[in-house]
Amino acid sequence: AQSVTQPDIHITVSEGASLELRCNYSYGATPYLFWYVQSPGQGLQLLLKYFSGDTLVQGIKGFEAEFKRSQSSFNLRKPSVHWSDAAEYFCAVGAMGTSYDKVIFGPGTSLSVIP
Amino acid sequence: GAVVSQHPSRVICKSGTSVKIECRSLDFQATTMFWYRQFPKQSLMLMATSNEGSKATYEQGVEKDKFLINHASLTLSTLTVTSAHPEDSSFYICSARDRVSTNTEAFFGQGTRLTVV
Repeated sequence: AQSVTQPDIHITVSEGASLELRCNYSYGATPYLFWYVQSPGQGLQLLLKYFSGDTLVQGIKGFEAEFKRSQSSFNLRKPSVHWSDAAEYFCAVGAMGTSYDKVIFGPGTSLSVIP
Repeated sequence: GAVVSQHPSRVICKSGTSVKIECRSLDFQATTMFWYRQFPKQSLMLMATSNEGSKATYEQGVEKDKFLINHASLTLSTLTVTSAHPEDSSFYICSARDRVSTNTEAFFGQGTRLTVV
């Protein structure tokens, strides 16, 4: 079974500063990896995904993530944070195409942005 | 992108009553849909996998008799919370995958906020 950890429960950054949110996964085969963002009281928005190919993935809103198989990581980055980026961020791992076809979410990282 | 519609978006019910939540894939067919529950300030926890035309697969610790799932067509799955209690108050989110596209993510509904009073 797959699992996801996000070591940072809460992160605070200043507007304009760079951001890195950590994500580590556990899965026996090549995972399908996702980052979602959720604003308070809202649904999920997909920021980016990794299925195969280039390990550096570009997403929406200026986010990118890098898949590092050797470290079982899929960290999310943004070079310059905007106040509107304050939200909850979830890393998720899936195993599509198998009989274990489901997505498991990490515990989430809450991002606060100081003006 | 593909659209998944969840209804209702909010519901308040009395303790002891049952509530049905619908999850529809609007522009694709989904043989598999997933139901998640999210408590305040927590992550999404997978409750069950809904398979069209067959019984749902429940995650460990999820009561099958309390959370009834029906996936009667390729575009509709329903979750019924039976004999709801205040501790069932939560945000319920469904997702669905396109059965034709093999390399796509699941698409999420906007969620249903259930409050049991």
